[in-house]
This record gives sequence, structure tokens and C-alpha cells, in this order.
Amino acid sequence: QVQLQESGPGLVKPSETLSLTCAVSGYSISSGYYWGWIRQPPGKGLEWIGSIYHSGSTYYNPSLKSRVTISVDTSKNQFSLKLSSVTAADTAVYYCARQVLWFGELSYMDVWGKGTTVTVSS
Amino acid sequence: EIVLTQSPDFQSVTPKEKVTITCRASQSIGSSLHWYQQKPDQSPKLLIKYASQSFSGVPSRFSGSGSGTDFTLTINSLEAEDAATYYCHQSSSFLLTFGGGTKVEIK
Repeated sequence: QVQLQESGPGLVKPSETLSLTCAVSGYSISSGYYWGWIRQPPGKGLEWIGSIYHSGSTYYNPSLKSRVTISVDTSKNQFSLKLSSVTAADTAVYYCARQVLWFGELSYMDVWGKGTTVTVSS
Repeated sequence: EIVLTQSPDFQSVTPKEKVTITCRASQSIGSSLHWYQQKPDQSPKLLIKYASQSFSGVPSRFSGSGSGTDFTLTINSLEAEDAATYYCHQSSSFLLTFGGGTKVEIK
């Protein structure tokens, strides 16, 4: 059974860098699929942040691209998110998810982590 | 950016009723539209992929239809456990986007 688990600090100061890791179990990241990050501000909807393949190929949401880095560590079977220069607007639940690639198209997310809450505050 | 507009925003429904949620895309996306269910304090769960294909393990009362710009999620004979917020999601462009969500409450 594929499981994803997010981890990282729950509190980040404004202007600093948010760093999260998603540990994957039950499936090898190197076997395929894209691996993505999605966030959900309190009481709001879902926003896709970006996705990565085991080769390191990435796709980012243009609205966040200048601040986002997603990386993968196949030896640890995990991938990570860094979001720089955070503000209160980056306060959200951050989810990682497995994402299907369908005929070259980034597609649906079929397995999600439980999410981790990150608050940006001094 | 492809904008997805869901309606209604909120729906209060009695058990066994039929629920219909619509998702309209700002431009044609073929059938690259997926539906998720999110219960309070849980992560989203995939229900329907590519407009009408049921995901493994999803109860048969959930179905999807549509193509182009107009899509529908139908829940036949609503059950109490279906209280949740439902989101559509498009993958037609590399800028993936979600609808604003439809909250379904059980009366």
C-alpha cells in the first residue's frame, strides 16, 4: 500500500524559507509517476504548487515559480519542497501526492499524504 | 490559466436524495477533468478521473459526465458519509488548477 507522509516545521518566520519533505513508502519513486505538492490555506480551496519526476524534471505553478524549489532523493525515497521569502499568505496545509503522467500530461493525483500545517508568523 | 467554476458553492441535502455538482472550465479541456472528495480534516480523495472514469474502490453511486467545458459530478442516493467538500481539477494545461469546491451538507 502506497503511503505518503509530510514532515517539517509547523512554524516559519516571515521572509524565511519553508522546507518540507514527503517520505514515500510502499512504492519506489524511481518506478515512475510524478510527485507533487499542493496546498490549502485555512478555509480555502486547493492550489497546485509543483511536481517532480524521479529524473529531476519539474513543473511549477508560475505564480510561485520564483520562490519554489522541488527536489527528489531517490536513495531515501522522498521528495522535498522549499518555498522562500514566505509571508502570512503562505500559511496553509501542505499536501504531497502521487501524480499520474498520462500520455505526457501531468494528470490526476491518486494517493495523497495526510497533510501538514505550516503557519507563517513571527 | 484555466479557471474552473463550480456550482453550487453549498448544498444541503437529505439522505437518499440525488446530488448534482457542476464544474465549468474557462476554455475547452477535453475530458481532462477529475473529481475529489475532501472530508473535514482529511486529505482529498480521488473519485473520478477523466470526467467519467470511476477510481478504484469508489462507490458506484458516484458518477461523472461531461466534456469540453461543462462537467457534472452526480451522487445517486446520498449517504450520511458523503458529507464533504467536492473539488474538480483540470490537467489539460501544465498549470494545474482546481475549482473552488462545493460543500455538501446532510440535512
